[in-house]
Amino acid sequence: AQSVAQPEDQVNVAEGNPLTVKCTYSVSGNPYLFWYVQYPNRGLQFLLKYITGDNLVKGSYGFEAEFNKSQTSFHLKKPSALVSDSALYFCAVRVSGSARQLTFGSGTQLTVLP
Amino acid sequence: EAQVTQNPRYLITVTGKKLTVTCSQNMNHEYMSWYRQDPGLGLRQIYYSMNVEVTDKGDVPEGYKVSRKEKRNFPLILESPSPNQTSLYFCASSSLVRGAGGEAFFGQGTRLTVV
Repeated sequence: AQSVAQPEDQVNVAEGNPLTVKCTYSVSGNPYLFWYVQYPNRGLQFLLKYITGDNLVKGSYGFEAEFNKSQTSFHLKKPSALVSDSALYFCAVRVSGSARQLTFGSGTQLTVLP
Repeated sequence: EAQVTQNPRYLITVTGKKLTVTCSQNMNHEYMSWYRQDPGLGLRQIYYSMNVEVTDKGDVPEGYKVSRKEKRNFPLILESPSPNQTSLYFCASSSLVRGAGGEAFFGQGTRLTVV
């Protein structure tokens, strides 16, 4: 079975500081990894994905994520946080070559303090 | 504009009264699915469909039904809703085309309250 863990329910960071939202995964096979963001009263918006290739993936709004196969991690990062980045972030995984559903983590609430 | 449209956005109903939440996508995606979102639990998949007339259970299918008669539509049916189905529901679609990456596109959500 595939699974995703987001160990932090809440992350607080000061505006202008770098931010990291952690994600680890477990799959049998090669993973496809995704990050989504959810603003209040909105659906999930796709941020970025890792399929193959470069371990550092760049996405929307200045976010990036680093795939680490040995640590089975896919942490979301941003060099300089904005107040507008405050939202709920979800990591998701599915196995490459499979039509299996995406499995989501429980979400991390990011709050950027002015 | 590529989108997934769910209706209604908000729904309050009584226990046992059948309801349907509609979902439609305009991206010609093969794969569609329904999730429910509950605090601390993330998103859990209810049902999914890989193509017309092909549906299968996700992780939490009890109390729900779906159908896929057309590629663009994937309604979620609660035949006899109960209070434990009070939740935020999302429909999503994605492409199964090889190399497409498979990211899901989500609807805006339906907040259902069963009293």
